[in-house]
Amino acid sequence: AQSVTQLDSHVSVSEGTPVLLRCNYSSSYSPSLFWYVQHPNKGLQLLLKYTSAATLVKGINGFEAEFKKSETSFHLTKPSAHMSDAAEYFCVVSEDNYGQNFVFGPGTRLSVLP
Amino acid sequence: DGGITQSPKYLFRKEGQNVTLSCEQNLNHDAMYWYRQDPGQGLRLIYYSQIVNDFQKGDIAEGYSVSREKKESFPLTVTSAQKNPTAFYLCASSGPGQGKTQHFGDGTRLSIL
Repeated sequence: AQSVTQLDSHVSVSEGTPVLLRCNYSSSYSPSLFWYVQHPNKGLQLLLKYTSAATLVKGINGFEAEFKKSETSFHLTKPSAHMSDAAEYFCVVSEDNYGQNFVFGPGTRLSVLP
Repeated sequence: DGGITQSPKYLFRKEGQNVTLSCEQNLNHDAMYWYRQDPGQGLRLIYYSQIVNDFQKGDIAEGYSVSREKKESFPLTVTSAQKNPTAFYLCASSGPGQGKTQHFGDGTRLSIL
């Protein structure tokens, strides 16, 4: 069975400093992994996804994530936080090519301080 | 622009009342999903549909019903049997293939009067 752990429920950084949001997953097969961002009262927007190609994945808005199979991790990073990055971030795993088995982590709320 | 439209944005339900949330997509996606989001929690799957006239229960289907008569539309009914309906409801769709990406609407916030 799949599962996702987001190690921090809340992360606070200062504007211009690096962002690290941690995600560990459990999967029996080669998973697809996603990071989504959600602003208040909005839907989820895809930041980036990993689907067994390059292990370092670049996404929108300067975010990137590295798939580490040995550590079963898919941490999200950004070199320099911007005020507009303040939002909720979700790590998602899917190992099912045909079915609809997307498993969401509980989310990490990112605060960016001026 | 292609996307997913959810309506209404806010909805209020009286005791004993059924309410229907609308979800329409023009992405030509076969698969559609409904999720429930409670504060501080991730998304939980209510129902999903892989093709017209077919749908399956997710993890928390009790008290909800859906239909899929058209490819573009996947309405969710919150019935009076759902005793705790207050939540943010998100509709999503996805295309075919490995690593298929889910696209989300902007959600409907349902509250009890």
